Amino acid sequence: AQSVTQLDSHVSVSEGTPVLLRCNYSSSYSPSLFWYVQHPNKGLQLLLKYTSAATLVKGINGFEAEFKKSETSFHLTKPSAHMSDAAEYFCVVSEVRGAQKLVFGQGTRLTINP
Amino acid sequence: DADVTQTPRNRITKTGKRIMLECSQTKGHDRMYWYRQDPGLGLRLIYYSFDVKDINKGEISDGYSVSRQAQAKFSLSLESAIPNQTALYFCATSDPTTTSYTFGSGTRLTVV
Repeated sequence: AQSVTQLDSHVSVSEGTPVLLRCNYSSSYSPSLFWYVQHPNKGLQLLLKYTSAATLVKGINGFEAEFKKSETSFHLTKPSAHMSDAAEYFCVVSEVRGAQKLVFGQGTRLTINP
Repeated sequence: DADVTQTPRNRITKTGKRIMLECSQTKGHDRMYWYRQDPGLGLRLIYYSFDVKDINKGEISDGYSVSRQAQAKFSLSLESAIPNQTALYFCATSDPTTTSYTFGSGTRLTVV
C-alpha cells in the first residue's frame, strides 16, 4: 500500500524568504512522486514529478524537490517566495507500473506575508 | 477546448436526489479516474477505469456509481445524494507510458 504524509498543514513565510514544504511517502514499489498546486477556487496544476530519473527535480515557477530514498522524503523547496505562491500544495505518490492510482497527501496551505 | 471537461461546474441538489457528474476527455487515453476533495483530506479516489469494460472501485466508492460510456466519457452518479457528499469532484485521465495525468477543472457539488 502507498501513503503520503505532509508534515505541515500550514506554512507561513515572508515574501523573498525560502519555502520548504515537507513530504514523506510510503510505497511497496518504486514510486512516482508529484507535487501539485491548487490556487484558491482553481483546479490542480502540476509543479513537478519524479519518475526514477534524476533525484533533484526542477519544476515550474522556481520550485524544486529532491527524492531521498533512504529518508522516504520528497520535500518541495523554493529559494525566494513570491506573493503569487500562496496556495494549497499536495504531495502525491503513485506506482510506476500497475494501476498507477494517485494517492494524495492532506495538503499544505502556504501563506506568504508581505 | 480543455483536454478534460467536467460538467456541471457547480451544482446544488437536495438530499435524496439522483445526480450525475459528467467527464469527457480528448487526450485519447484509456485510463480515467474520479476523485473527491475535502478540506484537510486531500483528494481521494472514488472509481477508476482502464477501458470501457474495466471499472474498479477506489477507496471511497460507497454511495457512488460510474459509467464508462466510451473511451472519452466517464460519468459519476450519486444515486441518492446526502449532505456529506458535498465536496469538490475531479475527473482525470492518465497516460501510463509517461505517468502523465490531466485533471479537469472540478465540479463543486453541494447537497442540502
